[in-house]
Amino acid sequence: AQSVTQLDSQVPVFEEAPVELRCNYSSSVSVYLFWYVQYPNQGLQLLLKYLSGSTLVKGINGFEAEFNKSQTSFHLRKPSVHISDTAEYFCAVSDKAGGFKTIFGAGTRLFVKA
Amino acid sequence: NAGVTQTPKFRVLKTGQSMTLLCAQDMNHEYMYWYRQDPGMGLRLIHYSVGEGTTAKGEVPDGYNVSRLKKQNFLLGLESAAPSQTSVYFCASKPFSRDRYYEQYFGPGTRLTVT
Repeated sequence: AQSVTQLDSQVPVFEEAPVELRCNYSSSVSVYLFWYVQYPNQGLQLLLKYLSGSTLVKGINGFEAEFNKSQTSFHLRKPSVHISDTAEYFCAVSDKAGGFKTIFGAGTRLFVKA
Repeated sequence: NAGVTQTPKFRVLKTGQSMTLLCAQDMNHEYMYWYRQDPGMGLRLIHYSVGEGTTAKGEVPDGYNVSRLKKQNFLLGLESAAPSQTSVYFCASKPFSRDRYYEQYFGPGTRLTVT
């Protein structure tokens, strides 16, 4: 069975500061990894994904994430955040064998302050 | 392309009432999903479907039923609503491919309150 742990439920940060949202996963098989963003009163949108290849993945809106297999982590980073990045961020994992189910973390609420 | 749409956007039910949530996708996706989102718990899978005419239970199926009579529609039913079913419900869909892996595409959500 797989699981996803997002280590911070809320992350407050000032505008233009860097941010890291942490995600750890557990799985007995190889996985695909995702970060989704949910803006207030909206559905989830894909921010970025790791399927294979380079462990540093770049996504939309200047976000990037690094897959670390030995530490089973997939932390999300942005060097300089904007007010508009205020949203909830979900880390998710899907196993390569099954493929059609995705397990989501509990979410991290990023709050960017002026 | 409308993508994934959900009807209704909001609903208030009394305990014991029934209702059906409709999810529609116009992307010809094989897989469809229903999730519920509760504070601090992320998204939990209620039911899913891997193709027209097929459905399967997810993580939290009790109190819900689903049907997928047409490929583009996935219905979620509550036969006798309970306050514990107050939540935001999301539908998602995903294409099937043997050559590559696709992510899920989400609808805008339905906010359901059961009093």
